Amino acid sequence: ETGVTQTPRHLVMGMTNKKSLKCEQHLGHNAMYWYKQSAKKPLELMFVYNFKEQTENNSVPSRFSPECPNSSHLFLHLHTLQPEDSALYLCASSQDGTSGGYNEQFFGPGTRLTVL
Amino acid sequence: AQSVSQHNHHVILSEAASLELGCNYSYGGTVNLFWYVQYPGQHLQLLLKYFSGDPLVKGIKGFEAEFIKSKFSFNLRKPSVQWSDTAEYFCAVNAVGGYNKLIFGAGTRLAVHP
Repeated sequence: ETGVTQTPRHLVMGMTNKKSLKCEQHLGHNAMYWYKQSAKKPLELMFVYNFKEQTENNSVPSRFSPECPNSSHLFLHLHTLQPEDSALYLCASSQDGTSGGYNEQFFGPGTRLTVL
Repeated sequence: AQSVSQHNHHVILSEAASLELGCNYSYGGTVNLFWYVQYPGQHLQLLLKYFSGDPLVKGIKGFEAEFIKSKFSFNLRKPSVQWSDTAEYFCAVNAVGGYNKLIFGAGTRLAVHP
């Protein structure tokens, strides 16, 4: 148990569907991250939130919409996705990510997304 | 732009064999370096990290890694692998002063046969 949970663990959706991924951290952290893990490619950082404010958007298409209502919860809203968006989506959390120093990131188990 | 290269996508070993996984990064400044492991069906876990000091760092489960600054490398080693080491291994880099941004390699999938 990492202290970072993600739901659902598996999701199959059509290209016209709207769905959301949820991440929750129980570690008292105040930075949260979304990563995309595709086969044979490096993990790609998508979004970073520090103290509920988005501090990084790594040129992610607008069909992915993040939401961070508080420091413990992070959502990724999905709309009109493409088959190439099928991947494992990982959430992570850490202590403050804006102080200039590095704070260890703790990862959730991921949501395996398949877009038909 | 920073990038991380892992030389092997797949490695197959027999138990008790020695392991070395290559990792090179491209960044001219000071870096923090990491190896993460992802066991089948489990989350990413930190195996070891290098921030400064002794370039030979030891992690959990008998793993170690050596930072060679002149070669921009951070190779992972284990003298004798076990079946339970079957997993995917990811090298990652954080640029010092680059806040908490991690740049990952594509991963190396290790299969250890009994």
